[in-house]
Amino acid sequence: DTAVSQTPKYLVTQMGNDKSIKCEQNLGHDTMYWYKQDSKKFLKIMFSYNNKELIINETVPNRFSPKSPDKAHLNLHINSLELGDSAVYFCASSQGLDGYEQYFGPGTRLTVT
Amino acid sequence: GNSVTQMEGPVTLSEEAFLTINCTYTATGYPSLFWYVQYPGEGLQLLLKATKADDKGSNKGFEATYRKETTSFHLEKGSVQVSDSAVYFCALSDRDSWGKLQFGAGTQVVVTP
Repeated sequence: DTAVSQTPKYLVTQMGNDKSIKCEQNLGHDTMYWYKQDSKKFLKIMFSYNNKELIINETVPNRFSPKSPDKAHLNLHINSLELGDSAVYFCASSQGLDGYEQYFGPGTRLTVT
Repeated sequence: GNSVTQMEGPVTLSEEAFLTINCTYTATGYPSLFWYVQYPGEGLQLLLKATKADDKGSNKGFEATYRKETTSFHLEKGSVQVSDSAVYFCALSDRDSWGKLQFGAGTQVVVTP
């Protein structure tokens, strides 16, 4: 049983397109996150939801819009894709907000051409 | 704001050598500290954690001790294997940052037979 799953694993698309990445966790966690890993492996938080409520939005362009239909799902929609959006996007979940470990999905490698 | 600094890689070792990866942090509160490992082409896995000063986290032969006086959380393993080749990330999380993980830049470790 996969704890945190993401689809798709690979996404290749052209500039200007709109795409979505889906994330699901079966751990019963209340909190979910999106992280971006750049080509140098640097990881940075993008968004966090707690009980379906947005609590972290880290200076991410408006083209990125997260949506949490329920506590087990957190999707990421990206409009008007740009070359600089090429990265690996990781979803994660945790039991809560205070120092709990986070469990990561396998990542979605987005390539914008 | 919070920050994490870890030694640059790549670190290249022979099998059975001793591994140390230095990690220091800056935080305003009392963070929890983590080491995550990323094997090639995979997501991040929690390796170990410590939630308060002098705690020692350990897993799979890896250890790290939370040193508040030196604001450090160095990772050590006494005898590495080829299968330990991966990128290792030091990270912190505290209540004031709503649980988000602040990562170091990652250290690539290459173990040769």
